[in-house]
Amino acid sequence: DSGVTQTPKHLITATGQRVTLRCSPRSGDLSVYWYQQSLDQGLQFLIQYYNGEERAKGNILERFSAQQFPDLHSELNLSSLELGDSALYFCASSETGDTEAFFGQGTRLTVV
Amino acid sequence: AQSVSQHNHHVILSEAASLELGCNYSYGGTVNLFWYVQYPGQHLQLLLKYFSGDPLVKGIKGFEAEFIKSKFSFNLRKPSVQWSDTAEYFCAVGSGGFKTIFGAGTRLFVKA
Repeated sequence: DSGVTQTPKHLITATGQRVTLRCSPRSGDLSVYWYQQSLDQGLQFLIQYYNGEERAKGNILERFSAQQFPDLHSELNLSSLELGDSALYFCASSETGDTEAFFGQGTRLTVV
Repeated sequence: AQSVSQHNHHVILSEAASLELGCNYSYGGTVNLFWYVQYPGQHLQLLLKYFSGDPLVKGIKGFEAEFIKSKFSFNLRKPSVQWSDTAEYFCAVGSGGFKTIFGAGTRLFVKA
């Protein structure tokens, strides 16, 4: 158990819908990362937060947004969902931004 | 821009063969270096890390990696692979105190 909790574990939704994925980092970790993993694209970095502030942005679509709250948990919002958004979404946390990252079990999103 | 390159996307080996996975990064400052492993159906987990000191780092399950500063490289090695090493391996570089960048990953398949 990495100490990083992601909910839900599985999500099935229809195209055009909006979903929210939640991540609770390890106790004491200030940095949270979001990744998308699919068979064809591999592991894609989406966005990173450090102590509530956005620190780095990767290949995150405009339909996607994220935030880190004062209690350090983070949410990834995916809207106007398309079939191609079906993937495994991982959250990771680290003490700062450049130390060991601990990954959650992921949320498997299926868009039908 | 900082980047991490993993030279091989797919590697197929027979059991007992030796493994070396290449990783190069571009960043001129002090870095923390990591290798993560993702077994089928699981989340990423840390294999080994280098922060400072002896550039030859030993990790779990017989893996080791060598940091060569002059070559900006951090290659992963294992003298004799097993079928259970079948997984995807990610090199990652932490820098600037707040950011970690992952490589695209190398999928290793070990034939029994």
